[in-house]
Amino acid sequence: EDKVVQSPLSLVVHEGDTVTLNCSYEVTNFRSLLWYKQEKKAPTFLFMLTSSGIEKKSGRLSSILDKKELFSILNITATQTGDSAIYLCALLGGNEKLTFGTGTRLTIIP
Amino acid sequence: DVKVTQSSRYLVKRTGEKVFLECVQDMDHENMFWYRQDPGLGLRLIYFSYDVKMKEKGDIPEGYSVSREKKERFSLILESASTNQTSMYLCASSPPGRPLNYGYTFGSGTRLTVV
Repeated sequence: EDKVVQSPLSLVVHEGDTVTLNCSYEVTNFRSLLWYKQEKKAPTFLFMLTSSGIEKKSGRLSSILDKKELFSILNITATQTGDSAIYLCALLGGNEKLTFGTGTRLTIIP
Repeated sequence: DVKVTQSSRYLVKRTGEKVFLECVQDMDHENMFWYRQDPGLGLRLIYFSYDVKMKEKGDIPEGYSVSREKKERFSLILESASTNQTSMYLCASSPPGRPLNYGYTFGSGTRLTVV
């Protein structure tokens, strides 16, 4: 059974800090790993990672995958209050189902 | 833009009631999914469907059923609602095969309270 573990479960930092969110996984048939941001409503897509060692970047957010050690990290630099959200890591297996972790609740204090 | 619409944003039902949660997508996606989201447990897959009239159990199907009579609509049914089914329910869809660069598209969720 595919499994995704995220850490920490919650994180509180001050505006301007840099944060690193972790996602480790177990999978039978890896296709890709995805990161989502969830504010009050639907999760919105951030990144899809399929290859090890290639950083994906979007503004202050970046993510990288290590398929040998079975983990991914999501970095957010110069955090802003608008970054406060739940960040979800999800694994796409061979059956096209996404398996989600519990999420990391990030709170940015002004 | 793909749109996934869930019919109700908030719903309050009584224990024992039969509850229907509706989800409609407008991009001709084959795959549709129902998740529930609970604090500390993340998103857990209830049921999914790869095509019309087709359904598969997810990780926590007990107490739920689904209906997919038309490609664009995937309904989640709580046969006899119980208080432990109080949760946020999220519907999602995706095209078949390797997903596009954004994985699933989610609806805005239905927050169901069973009293």
